[in-house]
Amino acid sequence: QVQLQQSGPGLVKPSQTLSLTCAISGDSVSNTTADWNWIRQSPSRGLEWLGRTYYRSKWYYDYASSVTSRITITPDTSKNQFSLQLSSVEPDDTAVYFCTGRCSSTTCARAFEIWGQGTMVTVSS
Amino acid sequence: EILMTQSPATLSVSPGQRATLSCRASQSVSSNLAWYQQKPGQPPRLLIYGASIRATGFPARFSGTGSGTEFTLSISSLQSEDVAVYYCQQYSVWPPWTFGQGTKVEIK
Repeated sequence: QVQLQQSGPGLVKPSQTLSLTCAISGDSVSNTTADWNWIRQSPSRGLEWLGRTYYRSKWYYDYASSVTSRITITPDTSKNQFSLQLSSVEPDDTAVYFCTGRCSSTTCARAFEIWGQGTMVTVSS
Repeated sequence: EILMTQSPATLSVSPGQRATLSCRASQSVSSNLAWYQQKPGQPPRLLIYGASIRATGFPARFSGTGSGTEFTLSISSLQSEDVAVYYCQQYSVWPPWTFGQGTKVEIK
């Protein structure tokens, strides 16, 4: 059974960088039929997909246009995890952040099947 | 970007009665539509994918229909444990994958 365990601070100061990590058990971050995503949820934005990383002979990265200049998603094969960094945060970035896993093969769901527990991140001085 | 619109925002249904939730896409997503159930303090949980395929662990009273731009999630006989917010999400057109704003299901 695949599980995702999130870690990282719940409070970040404005203009600083938000950093979260998602540890994977029961699967591999290098799985060539999966992708690993970050999604956030806030009352103002609802559920918002932020970006993903996936391995298909090399690593790929895709980001939402709303955050593309500030976001980095990094896989770590040695620890079987992936991380989110969001720079220059503002109070509007306050949200619950989720990591998720998705099987991208045409023979599986292709929706977000696996979710981390969520991390409430508040941007405040 | 595909806009997903859900209605109603809140649905109050008596126990044992049918609940019908709607989701509309701003352009066709074929059958690449998922529904999620979210209870307070928990992440969303995949309920339906492929517009009509029930995910593991959900009872048969949950069903999904539709294709193209119009989709429906039905709960045939509402139970107290079904109280939650339900979201639809398209995974047809990227970027980005997009979610509806949610329908809150309550017990009347």
